[in-house]
Amino acid sequence: GESVGLHLPTLSVQEGDNSIINCAYSNSASDYFIWYKQESGKGPQFIIDIRSNMDKRQGQRVTVLLNKTVKHLSLQIAATQPGDSAVYFCAENKKEYGNKLVFGAGTILRVKS
Amino acid sequence: NAGVTQTPKFRVLKTGQSMTLLCAQDMNHEYMYWYRQDPGMGLRLIHYSVGEGTTAKGEVPDGYNVSRLKKQNFLLGLESAAPSQTSVYFCASSYSGPGRRFKDTEAFFGQGTRLTVV
Repeated sequence: GESVGLHLPTLSVQEGDNSIINCAYSNSASDYFIWYKQESGKGPQFIIDIRSNMDKRQGQRVTVLLNKTVKHLSLQIAATQPGDSAVYFCAENKKEYGNKLVFGAGTILRVKS
Repeated sequence: NAGVTQTPKFRVLKTGQSMTLLCAQDMNHEYMYWYRQDPGMGLRLIHYSVGEGTTAKGEVPDGYNVSRLKKQNFLLGLESAAPSQTSVYFCASSYSGPGRRFKDTEAFFGQGTRLTVV
């Protein structure tokens, strides 16, 4: 049957502060991860990705950190802006689904002005 | 370049009715996916396809069927809608899976279809 899901956690930050959004993944065999941003009423949009042979990858104002030992992924957003308010999802390449991306539950980021 | 287009954008069904959601992509992507997103929750993979003529089950396939007769289209069918299928449905496509070029796994999403079953 259908599993019962959890409601999304919320992270509230002050404009200009740095944000850290965390994600735990389940499959130690997953070798590719992506962070997506979903604004209200829209589909998810790609932010940044990382392969399992890397620990860190930086983009414009965003950094993704991967800790394979504890199966943990984080997204750091520098100088958070109101436009960063959205739901953020991590996605992992799950081999049991034929190397397909499967999404985590997501985190709501609210930026206070 | 339209990217990924979903139709319809909104739909209300009565319990037991059937319908088909259409997803079309113009990026020549091999992989296509259907997800559902329930209020305040994450995306769950329903079915996916790795190429024309192929489909496979995801995390929550029960109550849904899919077809990929043409590379650019991925159809999601509900044969007998139930209130538990009230959700927002997202289609996505990607060039390939991991193992090839790094960015080819990036999935591009449609705008979503809001389905209510009463």
